[in-house]
Formats: sequence, structure tokens, C-alpha cells
Amino acid sequence: GQQVQQSPASLVLQEGENAELQCNFSTSLNSMQWFYQRPGGSLVSLFYNPSGTKHSGRLTSTTVIKERRSSLHISSSQTTDSGTYLCALAPSMLSGSFNKLTFGAGTRLAVCP
Amino acid sequence: EAAVTQSPRSKVAVTGGKVTLSCHQTNNHDYMYWYRQDTGHGLRLIHYSYVADSTEKGDIPDGYKASRPSQENFSLILELASLSQTAVYFCASSDALGGVNQDTQYFGPGTRLLVL
Repeated sequence: GQQVQQSPASLVLQEGENAELQCNFSTSLNSMQWFYQRPGGSLVSLFYNPSGTKHSGRLTSTTVIKERRSSLHISSSQTTDSGTYLCALAPSMLSGSFNKLTFGAGTRLAVCP
Repeated sequence: EAAVTQSPRSKVAVTGGKVTLSCHQTNNHDYMYWYRQDTGHGLRLIHYSYVADSTEKGDIPDGYKASRPSQENFSLILELASLSQTAVYFCASSDALGGVNQDTQYFGPGTRLLVL
């Protein structure tokens, strides 16, 4: 089966610092999504990014298909950024598993004031 | 913004008992999904459905059944709950077709299940 590895597993920042979260995958890509999960809460989609770079406020997602990796950059972190960040991969349409997401284990981020 | 609701939000069940988790979406989405999340782990797909009256097995279907009686509703059924099924369960929905955000899944708030 396909593998999705996230790093680091956890990260502690001082408010204002930047963070780079990584997601590596082992098979062909159809789409990559990044989610934010509040402590004890649901998931909120941050990016749908199968390739290239996308921006949303202080967040930037970059997916490089050839290198089988996707990253999430958080600039000028705030305490409200604390939570878990999950990447999820949907396999190539050729595999017939079109809509099935495979999640990484997540990166737990704590931003201290 | 997509709206997916789940009930109950939390439940305590006894080993061997039957548990039904319900999910409702108001977005006219074709696809619905059930995932479980264990502490410190990502989500794993249990069952999914792309049309009413039909369900498909996900990656970890053993011990679970699913039911999709209408486009809006999708239930997860634990016929004989076991200790190992203690987890947080998330329902999600997505549109099958179209747009920049094809495949984007929208998640419900989760149901916290404790089996004793």
C-alpha cells in the first residue's frame, strides 16, 4: 500500500517564528490536501494542491511531484496556529481508488507566546 | 462552506453492544466517508459510498457496517462493539466532479466513542 510520512512529528515554536512541515509519499500522486485539526476538534481543509505552490495568508503549500513531497510553510506563527496538521494523499486515477484519501500521522504544532 | 453534522457527538458503549453513528450532509455531495482516528494517529478509512443504497469497504472495514439510505445520510454500525473500537470517528463528504477543489473532503465534528 501507499505510504505517507509526515515530519516532524511535533514542533514547538515561539510566536513569530516560521515553520516548515513536510509530507513524503511513496506512490504516484493524484491530489494532495493539507488539513488543520484543532485540539479535540474536526478537520479544516487548508489546501488542495496536487502540484506547484499555493498561498493563503501566512500559509504556503508546495507540492513537487517528481520528488514525491509536499510541504506546508507557516510564516510568523501565532498561538492560534497550535494544533495538528495533516496531509492526505489521493492515489492516481489509474489505480481505481479515485476518492480515497490516505492520511499521514500528522505534525503537532505548539506555538508559545 | 460544506456542512456535515454527526450524532451523537460522544457515546459510551458496552462491549458486545450495538452502536450506530449517524452522519448528515446538506451539500448535495455524492461521496460520503467514515474514518476513525486513534490518539496520535492520522485518519483511516473504514467505509465510503458514492451513491445512495450502496457502500464500499475502505482500508479497515472489519467489525463495521455502513448504510447509505439517502444521498444526505450515511451511518456507521458496530454490531458487536469491542474495546479496540474506542476512537474518534469522522464523517466526510465530497463532490465527485468538477472544479478546482475536486476531491476536497469536508469533515464533520467527530464522534468520540468509548467502549467499556
